[in-house]
Amino acid sequence: AQSVAQPEDQVNVAEGNPLTVKCTYSVSGNPYLFWYVQYPNRGLQFLLKYITGDNLVKGSYGFEAEFNKSQTSFHLKKPSALVSDSALYFCAVSLRGNYQLIWGAGTKLIIKP
Amino acid sequence: DGGITQSPKYLFRKEGQNVTLSCEQNLNHDAMYWYRQDPGQGLRLIYYSQIVNDFQKGDIAEGYSVSREKKESFPLTVTSAQKNPTAFYLCASSIGSRGRNTEAFFGQGTRLTVV
Repeated sequence: AQSVAQPEDQVNVAEGNPLTVKCTYSVSGNPYLFWYVQYPNRGLQFLLKYITGDNLVKGSYGFEAEFNKSQTSFHLKKPSALVSDSALYFCAVSLRGNYQLIWGAGTKLIIKP
Repeated sequence: DGGITQSPKYLFRKEGQNVTLSCEQNLNHDAMYWYRQDPGQGLRLIYYSQIVNDFQKGDIAEGYSVSREKKESFPLTVTSAQKNPTAFYLCASSIGSRGRNTEAFFGQGTRLTVV
């Protein structure tokens, strides 16, 4: 079965430290990969995507993600965390030619001052 | 401003009632989606539509119905057959057929509570 895993329910980081939110996937073929962020009681906002090309993708608000095909991972990173980065982060995968997204369960990121 | 609008933000339903959640987009997107989000869980797809007058069931379509009579509108009806409808409902759209696998844009969500 095709799936996306976010192995950590919650990640705690001190403000100013680097952060990583992990995502691994299990799908056939070459997927498209996405990261979204959700603030409380709000919809999801798109952060970044990997379609093809450079494995390091830069996105909104200083976030970046690295695609690793051999490890089937797409971890979200930021060099220096802000308290305002505290939110719920979702990784998603779609198969080329397929409209449906396969979603991870989400990781709650807490940045402590 | 371009975007996707869901209404109402909060909705209360009595047992046995049907309710309809509104979703409108002015992004000229072909594809639209409805998701359900429960606490501690990811998004589960209810229905999606790739084009006007056509829609497909997602993973949890039972107890829900949709229509796509206009490109910009994709309302979701939660019927009395849905036994556990209390959840946060998210509508999304993407470019669709003219640019597959592009990112989705989300509305602000509707929180439905059964009273």
